[in-house]
Amino acid sequence: GAGVSQSPSNKVTEKGKDVELRCDPISGHTALYWYRQSLGQGLEFLIYFQGNSAPDKSGLPSDRFSAERTGGSVSTLTIQRTQQEDSAVYLCASSYLPGNTEAFFGQGTRLTVV
Amino acid sequence: QQQVKQSPQSLIVQKGGISIINCAYENTAFDYFPWYQQFPGKGPALLIAIRPDVSEKKEGRFTISFNKSAKQFSLHIMDSQPGDSATYFCAASGSGGSNYKLTFGKGTLLTVNP
Repeated sequence: GAGVSQSPSNKVTEKGKDVELRCDPISGHTALYWYRQSLGQGLEFLIYFQGNSAPDKSGLPSDRFSAERTGGSVSTLTIQRTQQEDSAVYLCASSYLPGNTEAFFGQGTRLTVV
Repeated sequence: QQQVKQSPQSLIVQKGGISIINCAYENTAFDYFPWYQQFPGKGPALLIAIRPDVSEKKEGRFTISFNKSAKQFSLHIMDSQPGDSATYFCAASGSGGSNYKLTFGKGTLLTVNP
């Protein structure tokens, strides 16, 4: 596709349920990032994938959060036993090279935990 | 530890005026400093970026000023327009290890009054 694609665009889930958020990066981009943006807040780093290297998971807020990237392309962010404080917009970004090159963001998935 | 500090949190400017947003960073390994623009309901989009080998970069009405010794950089929007009303994020990244990921400031909500 032409840009970073995220699905679903909106997700409402009950507290305690697991959710999976999907990110399709731009073809050929080696780096993939997940960020979380709470209402009116900045972008909180969650996890970073670069090629076949071990991901940088330093931003994951708890062990309920996990992410994988299959075949160096599509990534899935999984949140287990969702809590109300998990409600936020989850943004995915990709870049051709790691670090100091342009990162392109998707539209985000708005997660609401009720 | 907040590695990129952004100010002000919000800014109101009259049409035709100059908008100035400031950022300061701590990590001397950072060597890429982008600014992102975000409209409500959308993902952030790259506006302009600078590397530390130059002190200023201009693209149309947008200018980044960079002061390496002070570890500060700023975004200037000349002849501000109501269509510029958005949230602006500064960011920084570098080479190697955990520096690859983009670290964002907390954002500035810019309102340009007609």
